[in-house]
Amino acid sequence: EILLTQSPATLSMSLGERATISCRASQNVRSNLAWYQQTPGQAPRLLIYGASTRATGIPARFSGSGSGTEFTLTISSLQSEDFAVYYCQQYNNLPHGLSFGGGTKVDI
Amino acid sequence: QVQLVESGGGLVKPGGSLRLSCSASKFSFSDYYMSWIRQAPGKGLEWVAYISPSSSYTNLAEAVKGRFTISRDNAKSLLYLQMNTLKAEDTAVYYCARVPGVMGAPLYYFDSWGQGTPVTVSS
Repeated sequence: EILLTQSPATLSMSLGERATISCRASQNVRSNLAWYQQTPGQAPRLLIYGASTRATGIPARFSGSGSGTEFTLTISSLQSEDFAVYYCQQYNNLPHGLSFGGGTKVDI
Repeated sequence: QVQLVESGGGLVKPGGSLRLSCSASKFSFSDYYMSWIRQAPGKGLEWVAYISPSSSYTNLAEAVKGRFTISRDNAKSLLYLQMNTLKAEDTAVYYCARVPGVMGAPLYYFDSWGQGTPVTVSS
């Protein structure tokens, strides 16, 4: 099983600041990594797939980078709607399981 | 816009059974892999199962193998999760999600999600 470790667990930020979230994989997942955003009471929303490709309708302030075992999600200038929990997910370990990171909460 | 609506959740005693449904619309359901993902109260996301478009291939997480079954009815655009021998640790919100693909090959991330249905296993 591939373990994904996100850091930090909580990120306290202000509006307009740059936020950086890390996701480390226990094995090489190449570029098979996605990022999701979840606001309270809502379903997760796909932000990034293929480590760096923004999903349809996702603002350009969200960017993803990395490959192999080290990945980063960056929000260039935090807006009020960006305060949420962010999860990474690997999809390289097939036909074995898919796995998610533990989440990073971005709060004010 | 893709729509996924889950139903069938509720309160069940340990050892009991429940069948979840997910109604899909506004996309060609029969062309896509589909999946179930769950989230325990206050916890992160956990992948549960996925199924191929023709139902010929399924895969389940180790935590639910032998107890849960994923199935689908393409004529009705419905996805199911049959949950048997439920345990307290199965308590969660269960989401159905679509798996995008390229040239018929699934990419195994999740591009659309339903709002979820809550399942509580308690005596």
